[in-house]
Amino acid sequence: DAGVIQSPRHEVTEMGQEVTLRCKPISGHNSLFWYRQTMMRGLELLIYFNNNVPIDDSGMPEDRFSAKMPNASFSTLKIQPSEPRDSAVYFCASSSRGTLRTQYFGPGTRLTVL
Amino acid sequence: AQRVTQPEKLLSVFKGAPVELKCNYSYSGSPELFWYVQYSRQRLQLLLRHISRESIKGFTADLNKGETSFHLKKPFAQEEDSAMYYCALSGSSNTGKLIFGQGTTLQVKP
Repeated sequence: DAGVIQSPRHEVTEMGQEVTLRCKPISGHNSLFWYRQTMMRGLELLIYFNNNVPIDDSGMPEDRFSAKMPNASFSTLKIQPSEPRDSAVYFCASSSRGTLRTQYFGPGTRLTVL
Repeated sequence: AQRVTQPEKLLSVFKGAPVELKCNYSYSGSPELFWYVQYSRQRLQLLLRHISRESIKGFTADLNKGETSFHLKKPFAQEEDSAMYYCALSGSSNTGKLIFGQGTTLQVKP
């Protein structure tokens, strides 16, 4: 298995533009997590899904952020409109009961909003 | 409220010196604690978990419920241990949600 796959790896965009980040979890994992990593705030949980259903989105900063998981093998995190303060590394992770709740992380997407 | 605190943003030691990365947590139930590590240009990965009571790469961590701590220790640091270390807590839910600390950068100097 290639592990958790994220795309793109780097994204540079201008303020006001829509940004879509993508994640493919490990096959068989039924929980998926989106995190944001910044120097100031460290690693923050944005939202997580269990069996494709959003369970807790209390970490989503504001309405500009939205996440979907249309099926067990794909999730998106969208920012519309983007702002410079959204610049961060966004990680996706997946897990299952079989992994004893160990989360497996993707390589991350480094987002820069100019 | 569930919270994980790592008081040190940066810990710098010399090769061969002992290392202790501090982690304190706040949780009313019986938590499950983890240490994750992120080496330069690599993805975040699990280092160890308290229920396994194992030693990974020479690192150990003991859960102290009285002090609500889960400090990560290694008797002799190696240069390849230089990385960002995150302490994380999982509550009683079955979803696997983790609360991460702010992270500590360990720098091992030659």
